[in-house]
Amino acid sequence: AQKVTQAQTEISVVEKEDVTLDCVYETRDTTYYLFWYKQPPSGELVFLIRRNSFDEQNEISGRYSWNFQKSTSSFNFTITASQVVDSAVYFCALSEPYSNSGYALNFGKGTSLLVTP
Amino acid sequence: DGGITQSPKYLFRKEGQNVTLSCEQNLNHDAMYWYRQDPGQGLRLIYYSQIVNDFQKGDIAEGYSVSREKKESFPLTVTSAQKNPTAFYLCASSFRENYGYTFGSGTRLTVV
Repeated sequence: AQKVTQAQTEISVVEKEDVTLDCVYETRDTTYYLFWYKQPPSGELVFLIRRNSFDEQNEISGRYSWNFQKSTSSFNFTITASQVVDSAVYFCALSEPYSNSGYALNFGKGTSLLVTP
Repeated sequence: DGGITQSPKYLFRKEGQNVTLSCEQNLNHDAMYWYRQDPGQGLRLIYYSQIVNDFQKGDIAEGYSVSREKKESFPLTVTSAQKNPTAFYLCASSFRENYGYTFGSGTRLTVV
């Protein structure tokens, strides 16, 4: 089975520090999709990014950036100049085939980020 | 505004009772999903449906049942056969597979 590992269970930083959340995945597929989601204390998951396996360009969106390294099967997420509002649980996910019918997201266990003033 | 509505937000049930969690979307998405979240476990897939009148088991389907009679609706029934039903349940939808999911705000089920 495919697998997503987020080794960091909890991270605590002080505001304005940079922080990187690690994600390592396993798959036998040559075409696959990776995702990052944010879960604030309210509970609803918020979509951050989707990346397909053929696009290895790093992406930047404001203070967020993603580093996709196919050679090491990693898709790491960096928050630059962290803010208190970044405090949340962050999930990495891999699109995985289920039985013979369709795909669904397989999530890592999440990294809880706490940003303190 | 388009989105996914899960109701109720909090649900309490006695052990041995079946309970149905509602999930409705007005995004015109074909695919819908149910996940269960427990502390430290991440999200685990219960059931998913790619089209109306069709659904498939995920990783932890035992003790759960679903139906997909309408595109907009994907209710989840937690049966008395589910050994440990207390959890946070999240419903999601996507335009098609491998697209980003839109999630509802979740239902926190407590069985006493």
